[in-house]
This record gives sequence, structure tokens and C-alpha cells, in this order.
Amino acid sequence: GENVEQHPSTLSVQEGDSAVIKCTYSDSASNYFPWYKQELGKGPQLIIDIRSNVGEKKDQRIAVTLNKTAKHFSLHITETQPEDSAVYFCAASNTGNQFYFGTGTSLTVIP
Amino acid sequence: NAGVTQTPKFQVLKTGQSMTLQCAQDMNHEYMSWYRQDPGMGLRLIHYSVGAGITDQGEVPNGYNVSRSTTEDFPLRLLSAAPSQTSVYFCASSYGGTTTEAFFGQGTRLTVV
Repeated sequence: GENVEQHPSTLSVQEGDSAVIKCTYSDSASNYFPWYKQELGKGPQLIIDIRSNVGEKKDQRIAVTLNKTAKHFSLHITETQPEDSAVYFCAASNTGNQFYFGTGTSLTVIP
Repeated sequence: NAGVTQTPKFQVLKTGQSMTLQCAQDMNHEYMSWYRQDPGMGLRLIHYSVGAGITDQGEVPNGYNVSRSTTEDFPLRLLSAAPSQTSVYFCASSYGGTTTEAFFGQGTRLTVV
């Protein structure tokens, strides 16, 4: 099956700096790569996703890049704000009904 | 529009007891699934369903049963709870297809003593 690895497990940045979280996947058949943000006591919520036919996608301060050859994808958050503090999960899927998640990155934005 | 609703939010069970975690969605999604979240391990798929009457196993199905009699509901049953099933459980739903967003419920925190 698919194996998704995520790094780093914890990340602290100063407010206004950028944050980068990286994931690798093993199954070349995976074609959908969502990123989820989980705040304390809540369920994961989709913040951005990318499909295998696209190399980069941006949504305001958030961007995701995908390198299919190397089987890795990354989340970039620019101009970080305290409300960006949360746990972020990457995931991979090729079926739409089975998502394989990374182990999560706890991001702390220091005011 | 409530989205994905899970009940209860918290539960304490004794070893050997049984219980059902409820999940309901009002978005007419075909796909529904159950995940467990453990520290340092991310979310792992327990069981999933691609439509009413159809279920299948995920990564960690042992000790859990599911059924899908309606599009809206997808309950998860623990027949004989074990301490290893202490976890946070999330239900998710999506429209289906290969590249569609999954919507998650708020989770059920289960402790087995």
C-alpha cells in the first residue's frame, strides 16, 4: 500500500516568516494530494489540494508544489500569522475513498 | 447544513464492553470512512464505504465492524473494546471519484480502561 512520510514533526517560526512542510509518497498511482489543518479539539479541514496533472497551486498565502518524478510534495505558508498555529497533515490518494496520511506537523507561529 | 456529525464526542469504556460510534452526513456523499488518530501516527483508515450496502476494510480493521444501510449513516461498532482501541476516531465523507475533498467530523475521543 501507500506510505506517506512527513517532515518535520514540529516547526516553530516567527510571525511573518515562511513555513515549509514536506511529504513523500511511495505509490506512483497516487494522483490526489490534499493538505489538512487540524486545530485543537477539531477534525481536519482541507486547506489546499493538488492533482497529479498540476505542478503548483496557490491560494493567497498558501501554496503546494508537487514533483511526481521524485514523489514528493510540499506545503508553503508565507507571512505566517498566529492563527496558522495548528497541526498540518498531508495525504495521498488514488481512489478517492482511501486516503493515506502523513504523521503530521505541529506548527507554532511565535508572535 | 450540518456536514458530518459524530456522536458521542467523548466516551469511556471498560475492557470487553461494546459500543457504536455514530456518524451522519447531510451532503448526499457516496463515500464515507472511519479513521483513528493516534499520537505520532497520523490518521489511519479503519473501514470505508463507497455507497449504501457496500463496505470494505482499510489499514487497521481488526476489532471494528461497520455497515451502511443508508447514504447518510455509517456507524462504527466495537464488539469487545480493548485498551489498544483508545484513540480519537474521525468519520469522513466525500462525493466520490478519485480527486475529491474529504469532509471530517469533529471526532470521538474514546478511552478504554
